[in-house]
Amino acid sequence: DIQMTQSPSSLSASVGDRVTITCRATQSISNYLNWYQQKPGKAPRLLIYVASSLQSGVPSRFSGGGSGTDFTLTISSLQPEDFATYYCHQSYSTPWTFGQGTKVEIK
Amino acid sequence: QVQLVQSGAEVKRPGASVKISCKASGYTFTSHYIHWVRQAPGQGLEWMGTIHPSGGATSYTQNFQGRVTMTRDTSTNTVYMELGSLRSEDTAVYYCAREDARPIFGVVFGGFFDYWGQGTLVTVSS
Repeated sequence: DIQMTQSPSSLSASVGDRVTITCRATQSISNYLNWYQQKPGKAPRLLIYVASSLQSGVPSRFSGGGSGTDFTLTISSLQPEDFATYYCHQSYSTPWTFGQGTKVEIK
Repeated sequence: QVQLVQSGAEVKRPGASVKISCKASGYTFTSHYIHWVRQAPGQGLEWMGTIHPSGGATSYTQNFQGRVTMTRDTSTNTVYMELGSLRSEDTAVYYCAREDARPIFGVVFGGFFDYWGQGTLVTVSS
């Protein structure tokens, strides 16, 4: 199975900060990497698919990058509604797997 | 608009089975895989498997082989996930999610979940 490791597991940041979350796969997954945002008690929401494509309706302050084994999710200017947990997800090979999550908290 | 509406919360005894439904609307039901993902309390997301509503083909993760069955009813646009031999560790919120596929620079990529159900809490307790 492909393991996905996110870093950091949590971070504290202020409104307006630039935030970058990384996700590393244990083997190459090409561009089959997606990012989701989840708020407490809610279903995950797709932000980025195929490493760098922005899902419709998602603000342009979110961006994704990387390929192979190393990927990033960047929020260019953190907004109050961005405080949530973020998950990466590989769909290169089954079983599909998720990172353990990165919780973004208010500083 | 696309919607996935799941059945309500369940409380089950250890050893029992649970069957959760996911009713799809707002798109062609047979054109998209439906996946099931679960989340234990305070934990991350775990992919369980998938079903293609058109032919009913399924794929399950090894962790649930023999305990999970995914089925569909094309007359009602509903997918079902049944998990048997429940244990306390199966206490979780279970989500259905629709897989989409889109062309990027002329190549079609799939494997991402663009719509999710609201989640169904399954509590396993004696």
